[in-house]
Amino acid sequence: GENVEQHPSTLSVQEGDSAVIKCTYSDSASNYFPWYKQELGKRPQLIIDIRSNVGEKKDQRIAVTLNKTAKHFSLHITETQPEDSAVYFCAASPGSGNTGKLIFGQGTTLQVKP
Amino acid sequence: NAGVTQTPKFQVLKTGQSMTLQCAQDMNHNSMYWYRQDPGMGLRLIYYSASEGTTDKGEVPNGYNVSRLNKREFSLRLESAAPSQTSVYFCASSKIAGSTDTQYFGPGTRLTVL
Repeated sequence: GENVEQHPSTLSVQEGDSAVIKCTYSDSASNYFPWYKQELGKRPQLIIDIRSNVGEKKDQRIAVTLNKTAKHFSLHITETQPEDSAVYFCAASPGSGNTGKLIFGQGTTLQVKP
Repeated sequence: NAGVTQTPKFQVLKTGQSMTLQCAQDMNHNSMYWYRQDPGMGLRLIYYSASEGTTDKGEVPNGYNVSRLNKREFSLRLESAAPSQTSVYFCASSKIAGSTDTQYFGPGTRLTVL
């Protein structure tokens, strides 16, 4: 089945710097790759997603890139702010069965220092 | 709209006790999911229901059962709780049946098994 690996597990940056979180997946048929943000004590919320027919997607300070050949995708946050501090999860939707289920990575705790 | 709601918010059980976690959504979504979240392990899919009347196993189904009561409600049952089931449980829903789509999460249930 699908396996998603996420790195790093923790990331600390200065306010204004960029942050990059990387994920790899194992199922070459996976076709949907969302990123979720979870603030302390809160529920996960979608911040951006990308489908397998697109190589890059941007939304203001957030961007996601996808390399299908290498089977990895990355989240890029520019001009980080203290409110970006949270746990970020990547996920992949296995291609077989088209069930909509997601397999999540282990999470990255991002700390943005003022 | 309340979105996705879960009850209870907190629960403490003794080993061997049973309980049912309730989840409901008022967004007319077709698919519903149950995840558990443990430190350092991300969100792991327990069971999911791609559409009303169907349920399927996820990554970690052992020790759990589910019921898709109707389109709105999806419950998770622990028949004989074990300390290894201590976790935070999240329910989620998505609009499109059996396909990739944004998943909306509930607030979570924090379960402790002694």
